[in-house]
Amino acid sequence: EAGVVQSPRYKIIEKKQPVAFWCNPISGHNTLYWYLQNLGQGPELLIRYENEEAVDDSQLPKDRFSAERLKGVDSTLKIQPAELGDSAVYLCASSLSSGKRVEYNEQFFGPGTRLTVL
Amino acid sequence: KNQVEQSPQSLIILEGKNCTLQCNYTVSPFSNLRWYKQDTGRGPVSLTIMTFSENTKSNGRYTATLDADTKQSSLHITASQLSDSASYICVVITGANNLFFGTGTRLTVIP
Repeated sequence: EAGVVQSPRYKIIEKKQPVAFWCNPISGHNTLYWYLQNLGQGPELLIRYENEEAVDDSQLPKDRFSAERLKGVDSTLKIQPAELGDSAVYLCASSLSSGKRVEYNEQFFGPGTRLTVL
Repeated sequence: KNQVEQSPQSLIILEGKNCTLQCNYTVSPFSNLRWYKQDTGRGPVSLTIMTFSENTKSNGRYTATLDADTKQSSLHITASQLSDSASYICVVITGANNLFFGTGTRLTVIP
């Protein structure tokens, strides 16, 4: 079974340019997460989707970041315009609601997209 | 304030030796705690998950403990292997499914 797929794996752009990351979760997983991970730090949640609904986007910098999950399957995270401080790894994760309480559902992470803003 | 603190920040051990990583948290309300292993350039992979009522759980050479009273957890690695070199992240989850990540312990196993 394929895991969480992310692309691209690496992206280098100049500041003020736009950039987009794509995530395809594990088939059947209804919950999708986008995280930002700085070097030597733990991941920080940006947005969480339940199917196509964004249920927690409180940490998403909405002035420059946007995300969508139109059909409740794959998702795109966009930054426009990118700033130097956006250089980080962007992780996507997914989980399946299995009838247990949602906080017990295991998250499966993708390999991440490493963004470098010059 | 909800926080997860891990120690040590980094650790170097000889292959075959044991080690213990620590996690202290102030997250509330507590639901469950997980340890993840993150290899360089990869996403985190879950090792163990423990709920409030569990105080120990094993996954092969990895054994996690949880003391919900003192809000402490540890991850013990037995007979370390070179492939254990990675970052180990402690994550505390609340009942509202909010995840709080520690900054991780960077483990290096040398021959």
